[in-house]
Amino acid sequence: NAGVTQTPKFQVLKTGQSMTLQCAQDMNHEYMSWYRQDPGMGLRLIHYSVGAGITDQGEVPNGYNVSRSTTEDFPLRLLSAAPSQTSVYFCASSRGTVTNTGELFFGEGSRLTVL
Amino acid sequence: RKEVEQDPGPFNVPEGATVAFNCTYSNSASQSFFWYRQDCRKEPKLLMSVYSSGNEDGRFTAQLNRASQYISLLIRDSKLSDSATYLCVVNGNSGYSTLTFGKGTMLLVSP
Repeated sequence: NAGVTQTPKFQVLKTGQSMTLQCAQDMNHEYMSWYRQDPGMGLRLIHYSVGAGITDQGEVPNGYNVSRSTTEDFPLRLLSAAPSQTSVYFCASSRGTVTNTGELFFGEGSRLTVL
Repeated sequence: RKEVEQDPGPFNVPEGATVAFNCTYSNSASQSFFWYRQDCRKEPKLLMSVYSSGNEDGRFTAQLNRASQYISLLIRDSKLSDSATYLCVVNGNSGYSTLTFGKGTMLLVSP
């Protein structure tokens, strides 16, 4: 059972570079989301999607873009990396309305360092 | 006031002890409450939902106090394997499409 797969698991970028964090789920979940987790800050929502073609901003969307062209994939794009984007990024998915089930299935995380 | 607040801990307890964590939330309109568990350098996983009437799952009991806007998690007979960070989660201010996570409470269970 693959569940939620994130790639890459580790990445080092230089300031100003762009990159895409990939997220794929094989559970046919409509809801997908991206969080970042920083020490002392907890998990913060970046962007989310309630279905293919629909995306919305979370708490900390600046500097990130997302798209949802298929149910399975929800890539996160860093447009011009900054040291403040050094973090652990988690992709998560859920069936149905996430606040009903409460069950987000997380990927293993992507650790990004921006120099 | 932050949306979801937790004591970061760590709570250091011996095996077999009973330990309780509280979490307060700011949005009185919140309807959905959960506890997640996160092991060191791992992804969070749902531990249990929190219902208005309270609920129990083995050694774990969760309770909700709407009047005071807090939820609690009680762990009885602590095991070494309970060592983790416990995250309080509430449906976000943007409605029914987001979950807001607290920063977590770290629990360390020692032999």
